[in-house]
Amino acid sequence: QKEVEQNSGPLSVPEGAIASLNCTYSDRGSQSFFWYRQYSGKSPELIMSIYSNGDKEDGRFTAQLNKASQYVSLLIRDSQPSDSATYLCAVRSGRGSTLGRLYFGRGTQLTVWP
Amino acid sequence: NAGVMQNPRHLVRRRGQEARLRCSPMKGHSHVYWYRQLPEEGLKFMVYLQKENIIDESGMPKERFSAEFPKEGPSILRIQQVVRGDSAAYFCASSPREVNNYGYTFGSGTRLTVV
Repeated sequence: QKEVEQNSGPLSVPEGAIASLNCTYSDRGSQSFFWYRQYSGKSPELIMSIYSNGDKEDGRFTAQLNKASQYVSLLIRDSQPSDSATYLCAVRSGRGSTLGRLYFGRGTQLTVWP
Repeated sequence: NAGVMQNPRHLVRRRGQEARLRCSPMKGHSHVYWYRQLPEEGLKFMVYLQKENIIDESGMPKERFSAEFPKEGPSILRIQQVVRGDSAAYFCASSPREVNNYGYTFGSGTRLTVV
C-alpha cells in the first residue's frame, strides 16, 4: 500500500511570511514528486515537480526532496492572500503497471491573512 | 491549444440512474487517467487507459463502474445504478505517452450529485 501523508493543517500564516508544507511517502521506489494547488471548487493545478534530491526553486516556490528520509516539502515565500488554497502532494512510484499513477495526500489547507 | 476537456461540469442523477462522464485529452495525448475526489478527501486513482486499452483499472470499483477510451472520441467513465456515495468530483488527466517525469494536467472536472 503506497501512502502519502501530509500535515493535516489547516495552516494559517500572515501575508509576507513563509508557508511550509510537508509530505512523507511510504514507497522507497518513488521517483517523481509533485505539488498541486487546488482552490475551492476547482481542479488541481500543477505548480511544482521535483525528481532529484535537493531544492528546486520557481519564483516564490521552492520544493525540497530528501529521498533518504522519504520527505518532500514546499516552501512559499512572501505568501499572498491569493495563495490561500489546498496544497496536494503527489508521488509516482515509477515501476511496473502503476507507472502512470499518481498517489495523492489528503492535502493541507493554507490560509494567508492580510 | 485546448487543455483537457471534461463534460458535463455538473451532473445530477437520481439514485439508480446512469451517469456518463466524458473526457477529451489534450491534442496529441493518447493516455488518460481518471481520479475521484470525495468531499474533504484527496484524489484517488480510478483507472488508466490508452486508446482502446485499459492499462490499470485497479482503483475502480468492480461493480457498476466502467471506463473506455475508443479509437475515436472522448474517454467515457460510466457509473451504472448510481448511489449517494458516488457523489464526488471526477477529474480526468492526460499525457502524451507513458512517461515517468510528467506531472499531468487535470481537466476542470465533473461534479456528480446523486439525489
